[in-house]
Amino acid sequence: DAKTTQPPSMDCAEGRAANLPCNHSTISGNEYVYWYRQIHSQGPQYIIHGLKNNETNEMASLIITEDRKSSTLILPHATLRDTAVYYCIVRVLYGGATNKLIFGTGTLLAVQP
Amino acid sequence: ETGVTQSPTHLIKTRGQQVTLRCSSQSGHNTVSWYQQALGQGPQFIFQYYREEENGRGNFPPRFSGLQFPNYSSELNVNALELDDSALYLCASSLAAGLNTEAFFGQGTRLTVV
Repeated sequence: DAKTTQPPSMDCAEGRAANLPCNHSTISGNEYVYWYRQIHSQGPQYIIHGLKNNETNEMASLIITEDRKSSTLILPHATLRDTAVYYCIVRVLYGGATNKLIFGTGTLLAVQP
Repeated sequence: ETGVTQSPTHLIKTRGQQVTLRCSSQSGHNTVSWYQQALGQGPQFIFQYYREEENGRGNFPPRFSGLQFPNYSSELNVNALELDDSALYLCASSLAAGLNTEAFFGQGTRLTVV
């Protein structure tokens, strides 16, 4: 079962910041939060990940609360091409050295012109 | 472009047949994971290969099997296909099997079982 909860859909105006929330209240101390997005049945695209500090790269920023029970992905200037399903994922250890990404149903972000 | 390539892109098979899907991992990546994504759902973990050994499996029956080769490319084999096996099959490669390594996905193989 997914360890994350996300709103099913959100709208954002083009050029504005998109803030996508995620709850992961059962996250363990060594588990990372990953964000991926998927555009119309293409393969998921990696966006960013973090453990407990805020992270920023050329695509987005990730803000993780101090208690690590929730996080927010920020797309600073959304464009129409950012319309996609965004997955917030906790990457967990699974049987020894194996790790897996547990996908939920994600948030459909619709960027409006 | 992630450097992860999958083939074929689309495939139609008949119930009861067998299928082999292929994945070429990003250069230098020694870990490959396979996922199944049914329509309208998030991807579900099938199994992971690390240095040619399966080191973890999701809730999929034994008729789902795989291989990883010395060049770290991988195959997913599904025997005795069922209608419910119709899905997008994704592979993801990463540099190592750790929690702090990005996994990059290919574009997937769309399998339709009729």
